[in-house]
Amino acid sequence: DIRMTQSPASLSASLGETVNIECLASEDIYSDLAWYQQKPGKSPQLLIYNANSLQNGVPSRFSGSGSGTQYSLKINSLQSEDVATYFCQQYNNYPWTFGGGTKLELK
Amino acid sequence: EVKLQQSGDELVRPGASVKISCKASGYTFTNYAMYWVKQSPGQGLEWIGTIIPLIDTTSYNQKFKGKATLTADKSSNTAYMELSRLTSEDSAVYYCARGRWDTYFDYWGQGVMVTVSS
Repeated sequence: DIRMTQSPASLSASLGETVNIECLASEDIYSDLAWYQQKPGKSPQLLIYNANSLQNGVPSRFSGSGSGTQYSLKINSLQSEDVATYFCQQYNNYPWTFGGGTKLELK
Repeated sequence: EVKLQQSGDELVRPGASVKISCKASGYTFTNYAMYWVKQSPGQGLEWIGTIIPLIDTTSYNQKFKGKATLTADKSSNTAYMELSRLTSEDSAVYYCARGRWDTYFDYWGQGVMVTVSS
């Protein structure tokens, strides 16, 4: 199975700050990577697919980048509604696997 | 509006089975695959398996073979997951999620909490 390692596991940032979350795959996943946001008590919501494509309706302050085994999610100008846990997921090789999550809080 | 409406939370006895439903609306059910995902505090998010309603084809995470059985009813636009021989390790929130075949999940159900307890 492909192992997805997210960092950091938790993060505290201020409003208006830029945040970066990393996701490292144990092997090349050829940009078959998605990012999800999960708010407390809610189901995950798709933010980014194919490593850098923004899902319809997702604010443009979210962006994704990366290739090979290294990927990142960037949030520009952090808003209070961005407080959530973020997960990466690879869909290049069965079984689909997820990162352990990054919990983002406000400082 | 795409919506995946899952059935209610379940409290089940060890050794029993449970069947969860996921009713799709707002899109053509047979144009997409339905994925199932487990979320537990200890194991995080895990892909359980996938069903393609159009051709009734399933694929499973090896870890969940024999544990989960996926079915779909095209007449009612509903996907189902049955979990068998339940143990405390199966206590978790289970989600259905829509996606094209072999890709990411673009819409998720609200989740069903399954609690296995005597």
